[in-house]
Amino acid sequence: QKEVEQDPGPLSVPEGAIVSLNCTYSNSAFQYFMWYRQYSRKGPELLMYTYSSGNKEDGRFTAQVDKSSKYISLFIRDSQPSDSATYLCAMPSQGAQKLVFGQGTRLTINP
Amino acid sequence: GAGVSQSPSNKVTEKGKDVELRCDPISGHTALYWYRQSLGQGLEFLIYFQGNSAPDKSGLPSDRFSAERTGGSVSTLTIQRTQQEDSAVYLCASSPQRGSGQFFGPGTRLTVL
Repeated sequence: QKEVEQDPGPLSVPEGAIVSLNCTYSNSAFQYFMWYRQYSRKGPELLMYTYSSGNKEDGRFTAQVDKSSKYISLFIRDSQPSDSATYLCAMPSQGAQKLVFGQGTRLTINP
Repeated sequence: GAGVSQSPSNKVTEKGKDVELRCDPISGHTALYWYRQSLGQGLEFLIYFQGNSAPDKSGLPSDRFSAERTGGSVSTLTIQRTQQEDSAVYLCASSPQRGSGQFFGPGTRLTVL
């Protein structure tokens, strides 16, 4: 079993829809949670960084953490074609050094 | 300000040759990381630097892989006697301190023929 599980998709939704992206993890020692967005042939871009359980909002993006269920989510409201990318969840492991990544979900927003 | 830069952006080499990949982190970032991204394996950690020392090299796949960092800044990842399975995108990231978000460069796409 991988430490971080993420449905690779692909996920295709119409413009304006609410998108929900999810990851589960097995290591209860994970304390920090990140979401990265990666456009084709580009490096991952840090989108959201959360520490505690609950919600964190930044513009159209909301990150949600449920440590009791070992489940994290990223919601995108009013999705735009420019949101089309691969979204990766990540968690620092081993003394907050290396990041452990989910497989990434490939998202397409259709105009 | 400038982000993380990597060079070359693309590298095609023949099996058995050595390659060097370079990373320039964000100025002032003390932590530097190398990852590898391939289709079948996703994003995998290779090595972590704090300053010029590498306290975690656990992700290096074989002794053909090595890395160094000088002046607490630029880092070079060297792959000796490249194999076809080394073909991947090699990504470098830096962060201001351990435990904070990591900022990635655009990557070097390595193709071993």
